[in-house]
Amino acid sequence: GAGVSQSPSNKVTEKGKDVELRCDPISGHTALYWYRQSLGQGLEFLIYFQGNSAPDKSGLPSDRFSAERTGGSVSTLTIQRTQQEDSAVYLCASSLREITNTGELFFGEGSRLTVL
Amino acid sequence: AQSVTQPDIHITVSEGASLELRCNYSYGATPYLFWYVQSPGQGLQLLLKYFSGDTLVQGIKGFEAEFKRSQSSFNLRKPSVHWSDAAEYFCAVGARYGGSQGNLIFGKGTKLSVKP
Repeated sequence: GAGVSQSPSNKVTEKGKDVELRCDPISGHTALYWYRQSLGQGLEFLIYFQGNSAPDKSGLPSDRFSAERTGGSVSTLTIQRTQQEDSAVYLCASSLREITNTGELFFGEGSRLTVL
Repeated sequence: AQSVTQPDIHITVSEGASLELRCNYSYGATPYLFWYVQSPGQGLQLLLKYFSGDTLVQGIKGFEAEFKRSQSSFNLRKPSVHWSDAAEYFCAVGARYGGSQGNLIFGKGTKLSVKP
């Protein structure tokens, strides 16, 4: 597709369940980012993939969160044993190269997660 | 590590009036600076960016921003606001050096409302 695609757009789950959120970046973009947007909290950096380099996981809030990127393209963010505080919109973005070279992230419309 | 502050959570202006949204950053050197806009129900879109050179940068939709090193600021301006500018605006900083290169740190956003 032409833009960053995320699925599902909405996910309601029960506390304690695991969820997977998918991101399909723009074709050819080597950098991929996950952010979390909570009400009044702005965008919180979670994880960053760049090509074949080891991902920058410094923003993951706990070991319940993990992400992988297969074949340098599609990425999956997994949240295990979800908690109510995990409720947020999870945004994925991609960039042609490192942000410091290109200056622009292209964002998907997000996956809204609600944990009951 | 870099950080960014947007002091105004919510601003209301009349259509046709001028606009200034504030952004202050903390970083040991000159960072890369960005403004993104998030319109209702849409993904984030880059408005403008500053990497180096002229400290007054022009962006899309008639926006501009000025980098002031002495004030660690990168305020966004528009001379005449249109109703379609109602959205949430995010300032972001990227590191030029060090381990956190590659990711963008976002402020908490400023919500702009436009009165007819």
